[in-house]
Amino acid sequence: GENVEQHPSTLSVQEGDSAVIKCTYSDSASNYFPWYKQELGKGPQLIIDIRSNVGEKKDQRIAVTLNKTAKHFSLHITETQPEDSAVYFCAAPFTGGGNKLTFGTGTQLKVEL
Amino acid sequence: EAGVTQFPSHSVIEKGQTVTLRCDPISGHDNLYWYRRVMGKEIKFLLHFVKESKQDESGMPNNRFLAERTGGTYSTLKVQPAELEDSGVYFCASSQDPAVGRGLYNEQFFGPGTRLTVL
Repeated sequence: GENVEQHPSTLSVQEGDSAVIKCTYSDSASNYFPWYKQELGKGPQLIIDIRSNVGEKKDQRIAVTLNKTAKHFSLHITETQPEDSAVYFCAAPFTGGGNKLTFGTGTQLKVEL
Repeated sequence: EAGVTQFPSHSVIEKGQTVTLRCDPISGHDNLYWYRRVMGKEIKFLLHFVKESKQDESGMPNNRFLAERTGGTYSTLKVQPAELEDSGVYFCASSQDPAVGRGLYNEQFFGPGTRLTVL
């Protein structure tokens, strides 16, 4: 099945700095890559996704890049704010079809004042 | 519009006991998924319902886990008897429209999860 690796496991940045979280995947046929943000006491919430027909997608302060050749994709958060502190998960479709997802192990992002 | 809800939010039980988790998906969502996150690890897929039918239960750990979705609305996940390694956060998610092949993906909306602790 699909294998997704995510790094780093923890990330601490100063408010206003940028944060980058990286993921690699194993199935070259994967074509959909969502990123989820989980705040304390809540479930994961989709913040951005990218499909394999584009290399980059941006939504205000967050962006995702995809390198299909290298099989990796990254989340970029610019001008970080305290409310960006959360656990972030990358995901990819499970090999074999269907809509189920394989998730990375998560990155605990802490934005310090 | 109400989101995905799960009950209970926390459950602490002893090894050997039975626990039933409930998930109410977003109204009109045919797809319902169960996932689990064991402490510090990835969120792992357990199973997928399309309406009342089990589309894929390949992620279910063993036969101590039983999921149902009678009537195609809410779903329950029962663990009987619970073991220590069953501890974790159980998430439910729902999405619109049945999945069609590999080319169509719809956003999965997650509930807040049920934190299960087996002592």
